[in-house]
Amino acid sequence: AQSVTQLDSQVPVFEEAPVELRCNYSSSVSVYLFWYVQYPNQGLQLLLKYLSGSTLVKGINGFEAEFNKSQTSFHLRKPSVHISDTAEYFCAVTRNNNQFYFGTGTSLTVIP
Amino acid sequence: EAGVVQSPRYKIIEKKQPVAFWCNPISGHNTLYWYRQNLGQGPELLIRYENEEAVDDSQLPKDRFSAERLKGVDSTLKIQPAELGDSAVYLCASNLGQGTEAFFGQGTRLTVV
Repeated sequence: AQSVTQLDSQVPVFEEAPVELRCNYSSSVSVYLFWYVQYPNQGLQLLLKYLSGSTLVKGINGFEAEFNKSQTSFHLRKPSVHISDTAEYFCAVTRNNNQFYFGTGTSLTVIP
Repeated sequence: EAGVVQSPRYKIIEKKQPVAFWCNPISGHNTLYWYRQNLGQGPELLIRYENEEAVDDSQLPKDRFSAERLKGVDSTLKIQPAELGDSAVYLCASNLGQGTEAFFGQGTRLTVV
């Protein structure tokens, strides 16, 4: 079975500061990796995905993530956060079985 | 293009009452998922359909939960009878198949009182 670990449940950061949200997964085979964002009372919206190719993936709203196979990590980063980035962020992994496994989420709070 | 549509958005019921949720996936998406999301947690799979076939329902509490996806398009998820612990957000998602992203609806927030 897959498991996804998001190491930080809450991350406060000042506006315009950089942020990194950490994600590790357990798998010995090839996986597909995703980051989703959830705003209050909304569904999940895709930020970015890694399927293959370049390990640095760029997504919407200035976010990027780097796939590190040796460390089984897929950390999400943004060089300068905005108030509107305050939300819940979920890392997810899937394999060829089309089954998505989600982490428990990281609550990002951007402080003015 | 319309996204995944769910209804209702909110539902409040008394315990032991039945409730049903409806989902219309993105046109052409063969895979449909139902997830339950408890407060402060990530989504947890209840059931996954490939067309009209339920291919993974191992986490569905079958004594009270049921789901169907007639004709491989729309889907309904039913709880009968509801319990206090069923209070959660129920999310529907769909995708084209393995290796593609899942698109989510806005969810149905269920409160059982």
